[in-house]
Amino acid sequence: DGGITQSPKYLFRKEGQNVTLSCEQNLNHDAMYWYRQDPGQGLRLIYYSQIVNDFQKGDIAEGYSVSREKKESFPLTVTSAQKNPTAFYLCASSTSTGDQPQHFGDGTRLSIL
Amino acid sequence: RKEVEQDPGPFNVPEGATVAFNCTYSNSASQSFFWYRQDCRKEPKLLMSVYSSGNEDGRFTAQLNRASQYISLLIRDSKLSDSATYLCVVNILLSSASKIIFGSGTRLSIRP
Repeated sequence: DGGITQSPKYLFRKEGQNVTLSCEQNLNHDAMYWYRQDPGQGLRLIYYSQIVNDFQKGDIAEGYSVSREKKESFPLTVTSAQKNPTAFYLCASSTSTGDQPQHFGDGTRLSIL
Repeated sequence: RKEVEQDPGPFNVPEGATVAFNCTYSNSASQSFFWYRQDCRKEPKLLMSVYSSGNEDGRFTAQLNRASQYISLLIRDSKLSDSATYLCVVNILLSSASKIIFGSGTRLSIRP
């Protein structure tokens, strides 16, 4: 079955620590996205990538970094510079044409210890 | 003004009722439109795409009004299982890429 896999499902971060969230897709999609969702709020775009080895900042990129070395993988690192990282992180992918819907992984919940 | 706006609700309606909500968008270059459903503490899941001619999928009907720049979702004969947050998504065509914007969602609660 094709889909998007995010791991871990739950993650705890200590002060000053960087943590990396994994996102893998086997849908052969060119575009991948990372969103952050806070309780009762909508999705906010952190970073997106439309092709391997290229990515763009979204609306709230500060304190985050990404890489896109392989088409299937788009890991997100939450750095120590992100002072309020507690949130629900969602990875999505879509075809590159932009008129197709996004498919989401089941998310990672990040909390501060 | 937000690029995509939704009434946050909550809409609280009895089972069997018909409920409708709108989503307005501000950018006339908006190209494609979708409704997603999100259950509490879960990922959003595509409910339906919205086509210019309007489209129906069982109890759900989606419509697009380009002149007034809004899309709508109508749910007929609502079920308890329809309780969720409904997200409006707009894809805006830019010069070199497209930009996908999510609304903040409308919460729907169906009571027995």
